[in-house]
Amino acid sequence: NAGVTQTPKFQVLKTGQSMTLQCAQDMNHNSMYWYRQDPGMGLRLIYYSASEGTTDKGEVPNGYNVSRLNKREFSLRLESAAPSQTSVYFCASSWPYEQYFGPGTRLTVT
Amino acid sequence: QKEVEQNSGPLSVPEGAIASLNCTYSDRGSQSFFWYRQYSGKSPELIMSIYSNGDKEDGRFTAQLNKASQYVSLLIRDSQPSDSATYLCAVNPSAGGTSYGKLTFGQGTILTVHP
Repeated sequence: NAGVTQTPKFQVLKTGQSMTLQCAQDMNHNSMYWYRQDPGMGLRLIYYSASEGTTDKGEVPNGYNVSRLNKREFSLRLESAAPSQTSVYFCASSWPYEQYFGPGTRLTVT
Repeated sequence: QKEVEQNSGPLSVPEGAIASLNCTYSDRGSQSFFWYRQYSGKSPELIMSIYSNGDKEDGRFTAQLNKASQYVSLLIRDSQPSDSATYLCAVNPSAGGTSYGKLTFGQGTILTVHP
């Protein structure tokens, strides 16, 4: 089992560019999550999907959109990247409560 | 008041000692509690979960939960330099319902184990 996988591992964007972060899990978990982690700010929830077909905003959703493509896959899209979105992004999955994290994507917006 | 509070540290202990990490939470309805370890540059890794009052032991790790005091702790016995990491406390703020598996994380405590 690969667990939770994320692509890409690293990405550099210019301000205004768009991109999609991909996440997939093979643990048959119902719920999936996107977090960002910044120094001194801890882990902050961007969006989550309690089950296939549903998505909800977390603590910091502005500037992001998500798609729960199927039970395995949950993508995060930045439509117009801003320097404030420079961060490390983690995807996680769970059922019911124990969350397991992917390796992360380190994103820099210049 | 933060929902989940941890002392940011750093906490420094000598090799072989017991490291004690503490966490308090504000939501009295919380039912599920977790400890994650995060090495620098890596993702959080689940190391302990606890759901009932009392102690839960797993190898060198012991999680302690006191719901009346809204307090959860992690003890690491025989600390090793490889235990040096940031430890995140996480709380599921509800028994279920619409919160599903959402967790509220503390800011983390940096632990350094020196030889």
